[in-house]
Amino acid sequence: SYELTQPPSVSVSPGQTATITCSGDALPKQYGYWYQQRPGQAPVLVIYKDSERPSGIPERFSGSSSGTTVTLSISGVQAEDEADYYCQSLDTSGIYVKFGGGTKLTVL
Amino acid sequence: EVQLVESGGGLVKPGGSLRLSCAASGFTFSRYNMNWVRQVPGKGLEWVSSISSSSSYIYYADSLKGRFTISRDNAKNSLFLQMNSLRAEDTAVYYCARTTTVTNSDAFDIWGQGTMVTVSS
Repeated sequence: SYELTQPPSVSVSPGQTATITCSGDALPKQYGYWYQQRPGQAPVLVIYKDSERPSGIPERFSGSSSGTTVTLSISGVQAEDEADYYCQSLDTSGIYVKFGGGTKLTVL
Repeated sequence: EVQLVESGGGLVKPGGSLRLSCAASGFTFSRYNMNWVRQVPGKGLEWVSSISSSSSYIYYADSLKGRFTISRDNAKNSLFLQMNSLRAEDTAVYYCARTTTVTNSDAFDIWGQGTMVTVSS
């Protein structure tokens, strides 16, 4: 079955740039999406269509895509950015939704 | 305010059934595709099912093997998930989520707060 692969954890100091990758064979054909989930809360969309940012999401959140990998970057990381981050995409059929395993971002 | 509110979760014995509901408000529900996503406590997100705005297209995760049924009532701004033959591994928080109408986007832009389903004897 189709899989999206993320690193389990990423650590960064405040003010630095955090980079979280997501790899999947369908990503050259399908858009990638990113969600932030703080403890005890529902996920929040932070990036759609690889690099678009929904209204209300800070400019420090950005996304990019290259080949089979999509990347979420958070510049000038703040303590409030500490959360789990999930990528999402569709499989090659364009029908079935898949989430990555999630990456825990720790702000040191 | 755009809002999704799930209900119907609870404790159920293995083999039992449960029907989850999701009440939508603050937007024209009938124009949006909708989804169910679940999350085992402490684990990642797992897509469960999607339904198109007019119920013409319905999809399920392979792992469900026909035990779950998604439906909607646009007149009542409601989404449902009928869960049968429940197993311990179905224990999770169940979220309903709206698919954005942005062209060519399949993002889930609005999520409910989730409802907990516990399958245990």
